[in-house]
Amino acid sequence: DGGITQSPKYLFRKEGQNVTLSCEQNLNHDAMYWYRQDPGQGLRLIYYSQIVNDFQKGDIAEGYSVSREKKESFPLTVTSAQKNPTAFYLCASSPGDRGRYNSPLHFGNGTRLTVT
Amino acid sequence: RKEVEQDPGPFNVPEGATVAFNCTYSNSASQSFFWYRQDCRKEPKLLMSVYSSGNEDGRFTAQLNRASQYISLLIRDSKLSDSATYLCVVNGRGTALIFGKGTTLSVSS
Repeated sequence: DGGITQSPKYLFRKEGQNVTLSCEQNLNHDAMYWYRQDPGQGLRLIYYSQIVNDFQKGDIAEGYSVSREKKESFPLTVTSAQKNPTAFYLCASSPGDRGRYNSPLHFGNGTRLTVT
Repeated sequence: RKEVEQDPGPFNVPEGATVAFNCTYSNSASQSFFWYRQDCRKEPKLLMSVYSSGNEDGRFTAQLNRASQYISLLIRDSKLSDSATYLCVVNGRGTALIFGKGTTLSVSS
């Protein structure tokens, strides 16, 4: 079955360490996204990529980095520069923005990152 | 006005009740509208897209009012399994989708 796989489901790190969250999709979607969700908050966009080897900053990109070397993969690195990294991280994909309309997003199961 | 705004609730209703949520958006140029459902500590899942003429999917009805810049979700005959947080999603400037903070629904027996 096609879908989006995020791993690991739970991740614990010490402050000051960089950590990379994995996101893989086999839906053949062009666009991929990273969102962050904090308790009681909506999803906030970190980075997104519409095509391989290209990505754009979202609303809260500071302290994060991404790469898009393959269509299927969009890993997110949470660097030590991110002041409040503990959160629920959600990866999503969509067929892409063709024309004026956005396609709905398909989400992975998410990774809960705890930094102490 | 915030880009996408929802009443956080919680909305506490008995089984069988009809409940409606509204969501306002600020970008008059928005063209894509969705309702997502999110269960506790899970990822959001698409509930339904919202079309200009309004659309229905079983017990769920979505409507769009462009003049007043809001979308609505109506749930008829509420079930216990409808308890969740409902997220309003609208496309912002550019290509990314903007999520509201969600409205929490609790259906009790």
